[in-house]
Amino acid sequence: QQPVQSPQAVILREGEDAVINCSSSKALYSVHWYRQKHGEAPVFLMILLKGGEQKGHEKISASFNEKKQQSSLYLTASQLSYSGTYFCGTDQTGANNLFFGTGTRLTVIP
Amino acid sequence: SAVISQKPSRDICQRGTSLTIQCQVDSQVTMMFWYRQQPGQSLTLIATANQGSEATYESGFVIDKFPISRPNLTFSTLTVSNMSPEDSSIYLCSADRRTDTQYFGPGTRLTVL
Repeated sequence: QQPVQSPQAVILREGEDAVINCSSSKALYSVHWYRQKHGEAPVFLMILLKGGEQKGHEKISASFNEKKQQSSLYLTASQLSYSGTYFCGTDQTGANNLFFGTGTRLTVIP
Repeated sequence: SAVISQKPSRDICQRGTSLTIQCQVDSQVTMMFWYRQQPGQSLTLIATANQGSEATYESGFVIDKFPISRPNLTFSTLTVSNMSPEDSSIYLCSADRRTDTQYFGPGTRLTVL
């Protein structure tokens, strides 16, 4: 049931943009995005709900294609603080039981 | 959001012993969850802790190995029983209030010798 993320890793220079993809083989109720820095807990970024509602971070955007069970996270004008591992968490039922993706390690360099 | 604390933050344990990890939330929450995360890996859901009923375990995890308690709406414990080196991992609890997403505690780093 684990969603697959791509790319596995990406290196950006400050100011560049990135897209992280999350793909599930199951029908989804919602997709949740988190960022985790080394040695820290995952931090919530955004939730995308079936039907189009979104809640989340001002500077980060995302999309959710319900038919394809795919979500993409868009990071624009990246900052050094964006570095970390990004995980998507997928919820199939609306009960918020999340199955986390394989992760994408993002490194932003000066 | 919710503020979540876990105790202990880390521990080193001997094979065959058990460790109980505590998770405290600063406000009442509907659901609490327990995850395991190997270093450099993704998070794997162990179980969902329901207040007033037995926990719901995911495939590959059983109550005898990972007993969970949820005595009230702000607290839960996970016990890792009869530990082996394969249980070495980071254990995270999370909580949600059914109005948005899950918020995570800082984790418990467990090493089993």
